[in-house]
Amino acid sequence: DAGITQSPRHKVTETGTPVTLRCHQTENHRYMYWYRQDPGHGLRLIHYSYGVKDTDKGEVSDGYSVSRSKTEDFLLTLESATSSQTSVYFCATSRGRGEKLFFGSGTQLSVL
Amino acid sequence: TQLLEQSPQFLSIQEGENLTVYCNSSSVFSSLQWYRQEPGEGPVLLVTVVTGGEVKKLKRLTFQFGDARKDSSLHITAAQPGDTGLYLCAGDNNDMRFGAGTRLTVKP
Repeated sequence: DAGITQSPRHKVTETGTPVTLRCHQTENHRYMYWYRQDPGHGLRLIHYSYGVKDTDKGEVSDGYSVSRSKTEDFLLTLESATSSQTSVYFCATSRGRGEKLFFGSGTQLSVL
Repeated sequence: TQLLEQSPQFLSIQEGENLTVYCNSSSVFSSLQWYRQEPGEGPVLLVTVVTGGEVKKLKRLTFQFGDARKDSSLHITAAQPGDTGLYLCAGDNNDMRFGAGTRLTVKP
């Protein structure tokens, strides 16, 4: 399986503070994704990238931004965290569109 | 409203029983994937179906893709406690969208 590392694994922050989550992959996959997982909603796509500096919005992109300056790294930023952004965040990668997704172990984010 | 609707949301059965879970949409997908997720971990791919009407078997698990490529089902024969987990379907609709999942518990 692809080596996907998410950092941090857990974070507690206060409302209004900026937060950046990092996803690092070692498999040279072209596509990278950020999902959030909440009870009753499954996995919802926040943003995805189809190449270096090529990103697009998903279904719940408001309040989030992303950057991909290198193939291996995909950053998710919450500019001003809100309590509604408390969630488990998963990064995923795939070789191409529609292909198998490889997931990281997730980041538990709590916004107080 | 989810693009992919999964049912049932929760399912609790005894070891040895059979079960079917469903993934439905009004959209057509070029492919559909099924994942299983265990607590504290990311989802892991079980199967990808691509052709309408396709049936794939993975040991005791049988996956079917609807003829119109809008829906899919997962059938488990003689369920075991090790099958316990969250089953998620995902469709390729220019990006990968997931259903809310079916949480399966198999009691010994």
